[in-house]
Amino acid sequence: GPKVLQIPSHQIIDMGQMVTLNCDPVSNHLYFYWYKQILGQQMEFLVNFYNGKVMEKSKLFKDQFSVERPDGSYFTLKIQPTALEDSAVYFCASSLTGHTGQLYFGEGSKLTVL
Amino acid sequence: AQKVTQTQTSISVMEKTTVTMDCVYETQDSSYFLFWYKQTASGEIVFLIRQDSYKKENATVGHYSLNFQKPKSSIGLIITATQIEDSAVYFCAMREGRANSAGNKLTFGIGTRVLVRP
Repeated sequence: GPKVLQIPSHQIIDMGQMVTLNCDPVSNHLYFYWYKQILGQQMEFLVNFYNGKVMEKSKLFKDQFSVERPDGSYFTLKIQPTALEDSAVYFCASSLTGHTGQLYFGEGSKLTVL
Repeated sequence: AQKVTQTQTSISVMEKTTVTMDCVYETQDSSYFLFWYKQTASGEIVFLIRQDSYKKENATVGHYSLNFQKPKSSIGLIITATQIEDSAVYFCAMREGRANSAGNKLTFGIGTRVLVRP
């Protein structure tokens, strides 16, 4: 089936550094998402993105977070600067429509902030 | 605020039997959508099945079916004739049906780990 690819699968960085997580969504999809999962907890919505704009974001989407998808390339999540509490697995997802709930997820990018 | 609760941490069943997982939700909306996703050992997360709140019939896809009890705000997942490869973590999720909602903002439960034994 359709695949969402995430790069890198793992990243270890020092607190205060910048990190960019990359997502290659399903090719004809129009909606893009980031979810955050801390070990042992549920996945939580961070942000959704459509037509070049953030449509909705949660309170977890701090000012240090930003997303973009320049010219149909990777959909990226940038955190600058990182904090210890940003350690988590970040899942990218995409969907063709905005209302069916049928998301296609990547396998996650595990971020460890030291 | 919406909330999704899965109280079963893990379930172990024998292959070819039926497993049932619970999920209860909270929402202020009269219209909403409920989902089950599966996360395999490799980390892959796969959409399984969906129930629209306005539909009375329980959704069924392959060997997955739902037990939708709207008055109890409950959406259980039933897997019949389980196979080894059904071993995974199963997540219940909800999307509110707000007209101004711009995309699939899902609220997830914490997941139920299912182990299917040979």
